[in-house]
Amino acid sequence: EVQLLESGGGLVRPGGSRRLSCVASGITFSSYAMSWVRQAPGKGLEWVSGISGSGGTGDNTDYADSVRGRFTISRDNSRNTLFLQMNSLRAEDTAVYYCARIPSVYLVGEFDYWGQGTLVIVSS
Amino acid sequence: DIQMTQSPSSLSASVGDRVTITCRASQSIGRHLNWYQQKPGKAPKLLIYGAGSLQSGVPSRFSGSGSGTDFTLIISFLQAEDFATYYCQQGSSAPYTFGQGTKLEIK
Repeated sequence: EVQLLESGGGLVRPGGSRRLSCVASGITFSSYAMSWVRQAPGKGLEWVSGISGSGGTGDNTDYADSVRGRFTISRDNSRNTLFLQMNSLRAEDTAVYYCARIPSVYLVGEFDYWGQGTLVIVSS
Repeated sequence: DIQMTQSPSSLSASVGDRVTITCRASQSIGRHLNWYQQKPGKAPKLLIYGAGSLQSGVPSRFSGSGSGTDFTLIISFLQAEDFATYYCQQGSSAPYTFGQGTKLEIK
């Protein structure tokens, strides 16, 4: 059974930093591209960032313009873990953050498995 | 960026009804269009990928069609568990944008 389990959410001050983690089980983690998708309270879904699976071209990454330069996605295949380092946080970054798998090594396509989400609140 | 526009934003229907939700992309995305269902407090669930392929385990009353810029999700015989919010998402190129959602409510 595929499971994705996020952690690291919480209350953080504007301008602060937070690192989210997503531990995967039931899959060959390194073979798949992964993404972070967020959802502000009462709002729709927003793709945040993605990273390709390992092999061939290496770890390609991409970001939404709203987080580019502030957030960094990475992965540790030895620990089956996806990370999102979030710096210079703003109130508008308040959201539930989901990690999601793409059923391909490439960073393109659909999100077929999702974690349960972790809530980040940016407030003073 | 590719903009995704869903309609309607909300919809009231009854159990047994046939429901159609549409999604339009601001530029051609081929068949790189996916549909998700989300219930309150839960993560989204993939229903349809590649515009028309049914994800494993999803009931056959869900179907998708379209290509290029115009896409449709049909729920052919609504069940009580189908009342939720539905999102389309383009998987053609980053940023992988979602539609604004369609909230399906019980009439």
